Amino acid sequence: DAGVIQSPRHEVTEMGQEVTLRCKPISGHDYLFWYRQTMMRGLELLIYFNNNVPIDDSGMPEDRFSAKMPNASFSTLKIQPSEPRDSAVYFCASSLGGPRNQPQHFGDGTRLSIL
Amino acid sequence: AQSVTQLGSHVSVSEGALVLLRCNYSSSVPPYLFWYVQYPNQGLQLLLKYTTGATLVKGINGFEAEFKKSETSFHLTKPSAHMSDAAEYFCAVIPSGGGADGLTFGKGTHLIIQP
Repeated sequence: DAGVIQSPRHEVTEMGQEVTLRCKPISGHDYLFWYRQTMMRGLELLIYFNNNVPIDDSGMPEDRFSAKMPNASFSTLKIQPSEPRDSAVYFCASSLGGPRNQPQHFGDGTRLSIL
Repeated sequence: AQSVTQLGSHVSVSEGALVLLRCNYSSSVPPYLFWYVQYPNQGLQLLLKYTTGATLVKGINGFEAEFKKSETSFHLTKPSAHMSDAAEYFCAVIPSGGGADGLTFGKGTHLIIQP
């Protein structure tokens, strides 16, 4: 079975540029989560969707961040404009049902470096 | 608000020795509890979880954890460490009574296995 697929695996860009991270969840999963991992703050939930609808975006750090899920098989996390403090590893995860009942399956992450 | 504390950002044990990774939670009501493992350059993988019932939970790769309500703890153990256990381990919680579906993670513990 194909797992959660994230692209790109690595992204290096200059401050001020727009960055788009992509995620393809496991087919049939109805929950999709975006996390950010940094040394200082650890693993933080940014936003999650249920049946393509954003449910909780309280973890999105500021208006520069936006996430969409146009259909059940694709989601994007966009940063515009990007800043050096956005450098982190961004993970996407999906699950069938919420994490209380079913495990979240994580992608391998996108390592983002903003110069 | 709930929180998770993992004591020790780094734990080093000898191959064949007992592994003990500590996790304490702060929540007015016992939450659901999880342990995840992260290997280098990969996403997180669920090791085990506690929701209700038996307080000793067995997971994959020989790991187990015991929920102790009186101590608000969910420590992870393995009787005999293997070199392949070297990884980052995360404890996580989610409210048991429903509500938001996002996991709250601890800062992680890096497990080092010495030959």
